[in-house]
Amino acid sequence: EIVMTQSPATLSVTPGERATLSCRASQSVRSNLAWYQQKPGQAPRLLIYGASTRATGIPARFSGSGSGTEFTLTISSLQSEDFGVYFCQHYYNWPRYTFGQGTKLEIK
Amino acid sequence: EVHLVESGGALVQPGGSLRLSCAASGFTFAGYAMSWVRQGPGKGLEWVSTISGTGGNTFFADSVKGRFTISRDNSKNTMYLQMNSLRADDTALYFCAGPRVTGPAAMDYWGQGTLVTVSS
Repeated sequence: EIVMTQSPATLSVTPGERATLSCRASQSVRSNLAWYQQKPGQAPRLLIYGASTRATGIPARFSGSGSGTEFTLTISSLQSEDFGVYFCQHYYNWPRYTFGQGTKLEIK
Repeated sequence: EVHLVESGGALVQPGGSLRLSCAASGFTFAGYAMSWVRQGPGKGLEWVSTISGTGGNTFFADSVKGRFTISRDNSKNTMYLQMNSLRADDTALYFCAGPRVTGPAAMDYWGQGTLVTVSS
Protein backbone atom coordinates (compact mmCIF):
# COMPACT_ATOMS: atom_id res chain seq x y z
CA GLU A 1 0.00 0.00 0.00
CA ILE A 2 1.21 3.47 -0.89
CA VAL A 3 1.34 5.65 2.21
CA MET A 4 0.66 9.37 1.91
CA THR A 5 2.18 11.63 4.57
CA GLN A 6 1.13 15.27 4.91
CA SER A 7 2.89 18.09 6.71
CA PRO A 8 2.44 20.08 8.77
CA ALA A 9 -0.43 18.68 10.80
CA THR A 10 -1.66 22.19 11.55
CA LEU A 11 -0.85 25.45 9.81
CA SER A 12 -1.85 28.93 11.02
CA VAL A 13 -1.70 31.66 8.39
CA THR A 14 -2.71 35.32 8.35
CA PRO A 15 -5.22 36.33 5.65
CA GLY A 16 -3.44 37.64 2.59
CA GLU A 17 -0.33 35.55 3.20
CA ARG A 18 0.77 32.43 1.36
CA ALA A 19 0.01 28.94 2.67
CA THR A 20 2.14 25.96 1.61
CA LEU A 21 1.02 22.40 2.34
CA SER A 22 3.10 19.31 1.61
CA CYS A 23 2.31 15.72 0.74
CA ARG A 24 4.79 12.88 0.33
CA ALA A 25 4.13 9.45 -1.17
CA SER A 26 5.98 6.35 0.00
CA GLN A 27 6.64 5.47 -3.64
CA SER A 28 6.18 7.27 -6.92
CA VAL A 29 2.59 8.01 -7.89
CA ARG A 30 3.71 10.00 -10.96
CA SER A 31 1.16 12.81 -11.32
CA ASN A 32 -1.81 10.81 -10.05
CA LEU A 33 -2.37 13.10 -7.10
CA ALA A 34 -5.40 15.10 -5.94
CA TRP A 35 -6.03 17.66 -3.22
CA TYR A 36 -9.31 18.12 -1.37
CA GLN A 37 -10.62 20.74 1.03
CA GLN A 38 -13.04 19.77 3.76
CA LYS A 39 -14.90 22.13 6.06
CA PRO A 40 -16.67 21.01 9.24
CA GLY A 41 -19.90 19.17 8.53
CA GLN A 42 -19.29 19.11 4.79
CA ALA A 43 -18.14 16.62 2.22
CA PRO A 44 -14.65 16.98 0.76
CA ARG A 45 -14.35 19.25 -2.27
CA LEU A 46 -11.91 18.47 -5.07
CA LEU A 47 -9.42 21.30 -5.59
CA ILE A 48 -6.61 19.86 -7.71
CA TYR A 49 -6.18 16.73 -9.81
CA GLY A 50 -3.30 15.48 -11.91
CA ALA A 51 -1.06 17.16 -9.29
CA SER A 52 -1.49 20.61 -10.84
CA THR A 53 -4.85 21.02 -12.63
CA ARG A 54 -7.50 23.03 -10.85
CA ALA A 55 -10.93 21.43 -10.69
CA THR A 56 -13.93 23.27 -12.09
CA GLY A 57 -14.73 26.46 -10.22
CA ILE A 58 -11.62 26.47 -8.05
CA PRO A 59 -10.09 29.94 -7.65
CA ALA A 60 -6.73 30.66 -9.23
CA ARG A 61 -5.14 31.31 -5.82
CA PHE A 62 -5.02 27.52 -5.39
CA SER A 63 -2.15 25.80 -7.20
CA GLY A 64 -0.59 22.38 -7.08
CA SER A 65 2.86 21.21 -8.02
CA GLY A 66 5.12 18.19 -7.85
CA SER A 67 5.35 14.69 -9.27
CA GLY A 68 6.69 11.34 -8.18
CA THR A 69 6.77 11.42 -4.41
CA GLU A 70 6.77 15.11 -3.42
CA PHE A 71 3.77 17.39 -3.85
CA THR A 72 2.78 20.88 -2.75
CA LEU A 73 -0.51 22.74 -2.52
CA THR A 74 -0.09 26.50 -2.41
CA ILE A 75 -2.72 29.06 -1.58
CA SER A 76 -1.19 32.29 -2.84
CA SER A 77 -3.20 34.82 -0.81
CA LEU A 78 -5.21 33.20 1.93
CA GLN A 79 -8.85 34.18 2.27
CA SER A 80 -10.90 33.70 5.44
CA GLU A 81 -13.06 31.09 3.70
CA ASP A 82 -10.02 28.89 3.04
CA PHE A 83 -9.95 27.45 6.55
CA GLY A 84 -10.53 23.74 6.84
CA VAL A 85 -8.71 20.45 6.52
CA TYR A 86 -6.82 19.64 3.34
CA PHE A 87 -6.24 16.07 2.21
CA CYS A 88 -4.02 14.72 -0.53
CA GLN A 89 -4.96 11.48 -2.28
CA HIS A 90 -3.22 9.35 -4.87
CA TYR A 91 -4.96 7.32 -7.56
CA TYR A 92 -1.85 5.71 -9.06
CA ASN A 93 -3.01 2.13 -8.43
CA TRP A 94 -6.64 3.03 -8.94
CA PRO A 95 -9.05 2.27 -7.51
CA ARG A 96 -7.03 1.53 -4.39
CA TYR A 97 -6.99 5.14 -3.35
CA THR A 98 -5.16 6.23 -0.22
CA PHE A 99 -5.42 9.59 1.48
CA GLY A 100 -3.00 11.56 3.59
CA GLN A 101 -3.94 12.18 7.19
CA GLY A 102 -4.76 15.83 6.50
CA THR A 103 -3.44 19.31 7.27
CA LYS A 104 -5.65 21.59 9.32
CA LEU A 105 -5.42 25.14 8.00
CA GLU A 106 -6.31 27.75 10.58
CA ILE A 107 -6.81 31.42 9.96
CA LYS A 108 -4.51 33.40 12.25
CA GLU B 1 -25.93 19.26 -12.06
CA VAL B 2 -24.57 16.13 -10.40
CA HIS B 3 -26.21 15.01 -7.18
CA LEU B 4 -25.27 12.09 -4.95
CA VAL B 5 -27.52 11.31 -2.00
CA GLU B 6 -26.64 8.64 0.53
CA SER B 7 -29.11 6.94 2.84
CA GLY B 8 -29.41 3.95 5.11
CA GLY B 9 -27.11 4.94 7.95
CA ALA B 10 -28.24 3.93 11.44
CA LEU B 11 -27.23 2.76 14.88
CA VAL B 12 -26.49 -0.96 14.75
CA GLN B 13 -25.11 -3.45 17.25
CA PRO B 14 -21.71 -5.09 16.78
CA GLY B 15 -22.05 -8.09 14.51
CA GLY B 16 -25.07 -6.59 12.80
CA SER B 17 -25.72 -5.69 9.18
CA LEU B 18 -26.71 -2.57 7.29
CA ARG B 19 -27.22 -1.60 3.66
CA LEU B 20 -26.33 1.87 2.45
CA SER B 21 -27.66 3.40 -0.76
CA CYS B 22 -26.35 6.16 -2.98
CA ALA B 23 -28.80 7.70 -5.42
CA ALA B 24 -27.20 9.53 -8.33
CA SER B 25 -28.53 12.07 -10.80
CA GLY B 26 -27.25 14.56 -13.34
CA PHE B 27 -24.87 12.29 -15.25
CA THR B 28 -24.74 8.97 -17.14
CA PHE B 29 -24.45 6.81 -14.04
CA ALA B 30 -23.67 3.54 -15.83
CA GLY B 31 -20.63 5.07 -17.49
CA TYR B 32 -18.60 5.62 -14.36
CA ALA B 33 -17.03 3.67 -11.54
CA MET B 34 -18.34 4.75 -8.16
CA SER B 35 -16.81 4.53 -4.71
CA TRP B 36 -17.53 4.58 -1.00
CA VAL B 37 -15.24 6.56 1.30
CA ARG B 38 -15.64 6.75 5.07
CA GLN B 39 -14.53 9.11 7.80
CA GLY B 40 -14.43 8.03 11.40
CA PRO B 41 -15.24 10.57 14.11
CA GLY B 42 -12.51 13.19 14.14
CA LYS B 43 -10.46 11.16 11.69
CA GLY B 44 -9.28 11.32 8.10
CA LEU B 45 -10.68 9.84 4.92
CA GLU B 46 -10.49 6.11 4.16
CA TRP B 47 -11.33 4.53 0.81
CA VAL B 48 -13.70 1.60 1.37
CA SER B 49 -14.80 0.17 -1.97
CA THR B 50 -15.21 0.85 -5.69
CA ILE B 51 -17.45 -0.71 -8.33
CA SER B 52 -17.00 -0.44 -12.08
CA GLY B 53 -19.64 1.15 -14.29
CA THR B 54 -21.08 -2.19 -15.36
CA GLY B 55 -20.84 -3.64 -11.87
CA GLY B 56 -18.64 -6.45 -13.11
CA ASN B 57 -15.57 -5.44 -11.14
CA THR B 58 -15.45 -4.65 -7.44
CA PHE B 59 -12.62 -3.62 -5.14
CA PHE B 60 -12.35 -3.42 -1.37
CA ALA B 61 -10.02 -2.08 1.28
CA ASP B 62 -8.41 -4.82 3.34
CA SER B 63 -10.23 -3.51 6.42
CA VAL B 64 -13.64 -4.47 4.98
CA LYS B 65 -12.82 -7.33 2.60
CA GLY B 66 -15.00 -10.36 3.25
CA ARG B 67 -17.50 -8.35 5.30
CA PHE B 68 -18.74 -5.69 2.86
CA THR B 69 -20.13 -6.10 -0.65
CA ILE B 70 -20.78 -3.38 -3.21
CA SER B 71 -23.35 -3.44 -5.98
CA ARG B 72 -25.24 -1.12 -8.28
CA ASP B 73 -28.52 -0.99 -10.15
CA ASN B 74 -27.93 1.14 -13.23
CA SER B 75 -31.65 1.10 -14.08
CA LYS B 76 -32.22 2.97 -10.80
CA ASN B 77 -29.02 5.05 -10.86
CA THR B 78 -28.23 3.68 -7.42
CA MET B 79 -25.20 2.12 -5.75
CA TYR B 80 -25.29 0.02 -2.59
CA LEU B 81 -22.94 -1.02 0.18
CA GLN B 82 -23.96 -4.12 2.10
CA MET B 83 -22.14 -4.16 5.42
CA ASN B 84 -22.07 -7.37 7.48
CA SER B 85 -20.31 -8.37 10.69
CA LEU B 86 -20.07 -4.74 11.68
CA ARG B 87 -17.50 -3.69 14.26
CA ALA B 88 -17.06 -0.62 16.41
CA ASP B 89 -14.27 0.62 14.15
CA ASP B 90 -16.71 0.70 11.22
CA THR B 91 -18.38 3.67 12.92
CA ALA B 92 -18.06 6.52 10.44
CA LEU B 93 -19.71 8.92 8.06
CA TYR B 94 -19.95 7.07 4.76
CA PHE B 95 -19.69 9.12 1.56
CA CYS B 96 -20.36 8.00 -1.96
CA ALA B 97 -18.12 9.61 -4.53
CA GLY B 98 -17.58 9.57 -8.25
CA PRO B 99 -15.30 10.91 -10.98
CA ARG B 100 -15.91 13.32 -13.82
CA VAL B 101 -13.99 11.12 -16.24
CA THR B 102 -13.61 7.39 -16.79
CA GLY B 103 -10.57 5.43 -15.69
CA PRO B 104 -8.08 6.35 -12.96
CA ALA B 105 -9.28 9.67 -11.64
CA ALA B 106 -9.86 11.80 -8.60
CA MET B 107 -13.28 12.05 -6.95
CA ASP B 108 -15.01 15.08 -8.40
CA TYR B 109 -18.43 14.48 -6.89
CA TRP B 110 -19.40 13.65 -3.32
CA GLY B 111 -22.60 13.15 -1.43
CA GLN B 112 -23.16 14.60 2.03
CA GLY B 113 -22.71 11.26 3.74
CA THR B 114 -24.76 8.91 5.89
CA LEU B 115 -23.79 8.10 9.47
CA VAL B 116 -23.19 4.56 10.62
CA THR B 117 -22.77 3.98 14.35
CA VAL B 118 -21.81 0.53 15.61
CA SER B 119 -22.43 0.26 19.32
CA SER B 120 -24.20 -1.89 21.87
